[in-house]
Amino acid sequence: EVQLVQSGAEVKKPGDSLKISCKGSGYSFTSNWIAWVRQMPGKGLEWMGIIYPGDSDTTYSPSFQGQVTISADKSISTAYLQWGSLKASDTAMYYCARRDCSGGSCYSDYWGQGTLVTVSS
Amino acid sequence: EIVLTQSPGTLSLSPGERATLSCRASQSISSAYLAWYQQKPGQAPRLLIYGASSRATGIPDRFSGSVSGTDFTLTISRLEPEDFAVYYCQQSGTSWTFGQGTKVEIK
Repeated sequence: EVQLVQSGAEVKKPGDSLKISCKGSGYSFTSNWIAWVRQMPGKGLEWMGIIYPGDSDTTYSPSFQGQVTISADKSISTAYLQWGSLKASDTAMYYCARRDCSGGSCYSDYWGQGTLVTVSS
Repeated sequence: EIVLTQSPGTLSLSPGERATLSCRASQSISSAYLAWYQQKPGQAPRLLIYGASSRATGIPDRFSGSVSGTDFTLTISRLEPEDFAVYYCQQSGTSWTFGQGTKVEIK
């Protein structure tokens, strides 16, 4: 069974650093892209970026370029999203999602359960 | 950047009624990379439709997708109580973008 399991909720202060994780299982982790998606409280979904764990090829949304770092450790089937200095506006739910392709179509078929990040002084 | 505009913002319907949700792309996109997701409160999004019109595994056939040019449509033929949720379209061709969502609420 394919699963993406994310790390637990975090409460941080402005200026703190943070790294959250997304562990894949039940499939070949190096064969599928993993995306990160932000959902601010009461708002819609925003794509942040995507990584191919096989070679760590990464693409960022222009809105998030330079604001976060996406990485992966294929030896432990885990993708990461990290911040160097959090702001209150980073308060949100963060999801990882697997990208799969079939018959020429691509989509996000499996999602993590989400990691709630709260940034407050 | 490709912008996806969903309409209406909110759809108020009763169980058993038909729901028609729209997603318009700001420029031509490949249907292969257009998907629809359902999100319920406190849950992660769930894939419903990919390739504009193919149902994902386990999705009931009351859900269907279609396309005409840059206009994509998700139709729920007869609303069940569990279908009241927020629906997002997404394109993953050139970069990725999501529409702003349509909330289907009980009238």
